[in-house]
Amino acid sequence: EPEVTQTPSHQVTQMGQEVILRCVPISNHLYFYWYRQILGQKVEFLVSFYNNEISEKSEIFDDQFSVERPDGSNFTLKIRSTKLEDSAMYFCASELARYEQYFGPGTRLTVT
Amino acid sequence: AQSVTQPDIHITVSEGASLELRCNYSYGATPYLFWYVQSPGQGLQLLLKYFSGDTLVQGIKGFEAEFKRSQSSFNLRKPSVHWSDAAEYFCALRGDSSASKIIFGSGTRLSIRP
Repeated sequence: EPEVTQTPSHQVTQMGQEVILRCVPISNHLYFYWYRQILGQKVEFLVSFYNNEISEKSEIFDDQFSVERPDGSNFTLKIRSTKLEDSAMYFCASELARYEQYFGPGTRLTVT
Repeated sequence: AQSVTQPDIHITVSEGASLELRCNYSYGATPYLFWYVQSPGQGLQLLLKYFSGDTLVQGIKGFEAEFKRSQSSFNLRKPSVHWSDAAEYFCALRGDSSASKIIFGSGTRLSIRP
């Protein structure tokens, strides 16, 4: 069964550094998402992406964040200058159309 | 405003006992509803979903949920829990249009008493 994959599984970075989290969505899916979950809290929506542009973004998704689909298969989330409060589990999801979103296993980001 | 409320932060049940986890939602129309389970440090596994039709939906691992429009609820049930069911459970909703974000509840942690 096709699945969403994410790399790396765990990323440790220093405050102020740039990080790129990578996702490979299911190949025929059209809609892509990033969510995050701070330890012990609920999962929060960050951004949705369709047709090479952002469809919706939350108030969390400020200028420090960006997304792109550079090569038609990968979907990346970049954090330009990480802060301690960016430490969280980041989930990628993809969707075919108006159906279920399939979640990846997550990338745990630790900012020190 | 769209929201999902899970009123129980933590529930403990005995192995073999029945389980009901509560979920209430606020949404302007009929949402798509989901239950996810998350083991510590792991990703999100979809237990079941409701899009339309029969209001009682069956999921994996013996779970079921019932959509009650009049009560804006989508409670999760299992007739007999197993120790392996100990995890965090999230109720969630989304709208019926494409690129519609999922809104998650704050979760209910389930512990199983031997």
